[in-house]
Amino acid sequence: KAGVTQTPRYLIKTRGQQVTLSCSPISGHRSVSWYQQTPGQGLQFLFEYFSETQRNKGNFPGRFSGRQFSNSRSEMNVSTLELGDSALYLCASSLAPGQNQPQHFGDGTRLSIL
Amino acid sequence: AQSVAQPEDQVNVAEGNPLTVKCTYSVSGNPYLFWYVQYPNRGLQFLLKYITGDNLVKGSYGFEAEFNKSQTSFHLKKPSALVSDSALYFCAVRLNTGFQKLVFGTGTRLLVSP
Repeated sequence: KAGVTQTPRYLIKTRGQQVTLSCSPISGHRSVSWYQQTPGQGLQFLFEYFSETQRNKGNFPGRFSGRQFSNSRSEMNVSTLELGDSALYLCASSLAPGQNQPQHFGDGTRLSIL
Repeated sequence: AQSVAQPEDQVNVAEGNPLTVKCTYSVSGNPYLFWYVQYPNRGLQFLLKYITGDNLVKGSYGFEAEFNKSQTSFHLKKPSALVSDSALYFCAVRLNTGFQKLVFGTGTRLLVSP
C-alpha cells in the first residue's frame, strides 16, 4: 500500500511569490492534516480536512490556505511568501476523524524562500 | 490548552544498552498519546500510541512506552539500542474531541554509539 505522497519534494521561491503544495493520502484515508516544521518553532498544526471541509485550523495568517478534493487529495497554498515561510511542510492522513488511528505522514515538501 | 514537554534535547546511549526518551504532557481531558520518529530528510514515522487500556504499549522496532497518568508521562523505551535507532523522536498528544490535530513536543535527538 502506497504511503502519503507529497509533491514536489523541494521548492525554491522568492519573497512575494505564491506556492501550491500537493498531498495524496494513503488509499482509503479521508482525513488530511498539514503541519509546518521549522528549527525555531518545531512542528505546528496548519489545518485539517475531511470530506472537502476544513474542520480545524491552526494559528497561521490568512496567507496560508488549503483545500481538499472529492478524492481526498489535498493542496495547500501560501501567498505573498515571506522568508519565515521557509520550512518543511508535512501532510498526514488518517482514516477519518474520531477514529483511534494514528496519522501517517509523507516525506514533506521542503520550501526555501530566497 | 494541550502541551507536550520533552526535557532532553539529546540522549546518548551505547549500542546494546537500554534507552529512555522522556515525555510529559498537559491536557484538560483524556489524552491520546503518540510517538513518532524522524530520519534525516524524511517525514514522521509512527512508532506507537496510547489510547486507553494497558499502560504499557508496545510498538514498532522493539520500542515500548509506559503511560503514567499520575505523573502525566509517556516515556519511550527500548531494552537494547541499535545504532540504526539514531534519529529525532517526537512525542505528541491529541484530545478525544474528534479532531485530528496533534500537538508535538520539541523533539529529542537520540544518538546511539557503536
